[in-house]
This record gives sequence, C-alpha cells and structure tokens, in this order.
Amino acid sequence: DTAVSQTPKYLVTQMGNDKSIKCEQNLGHDTMYWYKQDSKKFLKIMFSYNNKELIINETVPNRFSPKSPDKAHLNLHINSLELGDSAVYFCASSWGGRPGNTIYFGEGSWLTVV
Amino acid sequence: GEDVEQSLFLSVREGDSSVINCTYTDSSSTYLYWYKQEPGAGLQLLTYIFSNMDMKQDQRLTVLLNKKDKHLSLRIADTQTGDSAIYFCAPLNSGGYQKVTFGTGTKLQVIP
Repeated sequence: DTAVSQTPKYLVTQMGNDKSIKCEQNLGHDTMYWYKQDSKKFLKIMFSYNNKELIINETVPNRFSPKSPDKAHLNLHINSLELGDSAVYFCASSWGGRPGNTIYFGEGSWLTVV
Repeated sequence: GEDVEQSLFLSVREGDSSVINCTYTDSSSTYLYWYKQEPGAGLQLLTYIFSNMDMKQDQRLTVLLNKKDKHLSLRIADTQTGDSAIYFCAPLNSGGYQKVTFGTGTKLQVIP
C-alpha cells in the first residue's frame, strides 16, 4: 500500500500549457504539503493544507493553485507553464501541529517544460 | 526565514564512517530531522533529534546537536554502498504546523 501517491510520475509538456498533479494519502493525516525540488536538489515548501485549509503559502507565482477537495487529497494545478517550472514536485503528509510526527513523502512528479 | 546549509558532496570508502554536517539559523527550532533521498525516489525520514538533546543514536546512525552553535551532524558508521544518497537536514521551524526547511542536501558517494 502506497502511503502518499502522486500522479503522474513523469510529465513532459509545452510552455503555456496548463497541467495538474494529483496527490492522495491513505494515512489519515490532517495536513498535506507540496514541495518543489529544483535541478540543484534544493527543496522548498510551496503550500500546506490542514484539514482542507491553507496554512502555508510561500512565495509562489499565482499560476500555481493548490486544491484540497478533502483531507486525503491535495492537487496542484499549474497554469501557463514556464521553462522554470521544470522540477520535481513532492507531495507529503503528516499530523500537522504535532512536532516530531513524521512527514511522509510521495515518490515525486518529474515535470519537464519544453 | 530559516537558512540551512550543508556541504554539497561527501565521498567515503565502504566501511568507513561518514559525517554529514548542517548549520541552521533558527535557534528556536524544536525538532531537527534527517531525510535520505535515493536516486529517483522520494524522501525517507532517517532520524530526528529533539532540541533538548545533545545526541541520539539509532543503530548505525548517530545525531549530534550543538544548539549553541546551531550545528547538527549525522554520523553513519560502517558506511555501505546502499547508503549512497542525498541527505537533507531539516529543522522544524518555530511556529508550529510542521514547517520544515530543508538544507541544500549532501550527496554521499560510497566507494566500494
């Protein structure tokens, strides 16, 4: 059983397109995240939702819009894709507000914008 | 925001010990995590230390925390080729809600 699953794993698309990455967790966690890892392996948090409510929103272009239909899902929609959006996007989940609880990561979605 | 620095690369021979270092800036970080990322994979939590501890040992892993200097290290004893990966230091920022800031990552290469 995959705890945090994201789809698609690989995505190649042209500049200007709109794409979505889906994420689901079956751990019963109340908090989900999106992280971006660039080509230099730097890992930065983008968004965090707790019980479907946005609690962390780092400096991310408006083209990125997270959507959490329920506690188990956090999807990432990206409009007007740019070359600089090429990265690996990791979804994660945890029991939020309780330090020390493990953050579980998905396998990542490799996005390439051409 | 928090800054977390690590050396980018470390190469060791199989059987030797590896020491991966990390410095951070937020002195109120409560938990400090170490994550491992194998090629093409997600991040796996290796271990963590609470800020009121100086040391934590977990099998081949030893975490040392110098809170005064805001310095964290991860020692891997008897390093194996399977330990080759990128290791991320990740302090939990103050203010709750599991906002961890990841370091730049240290790529560990184990030479057989």
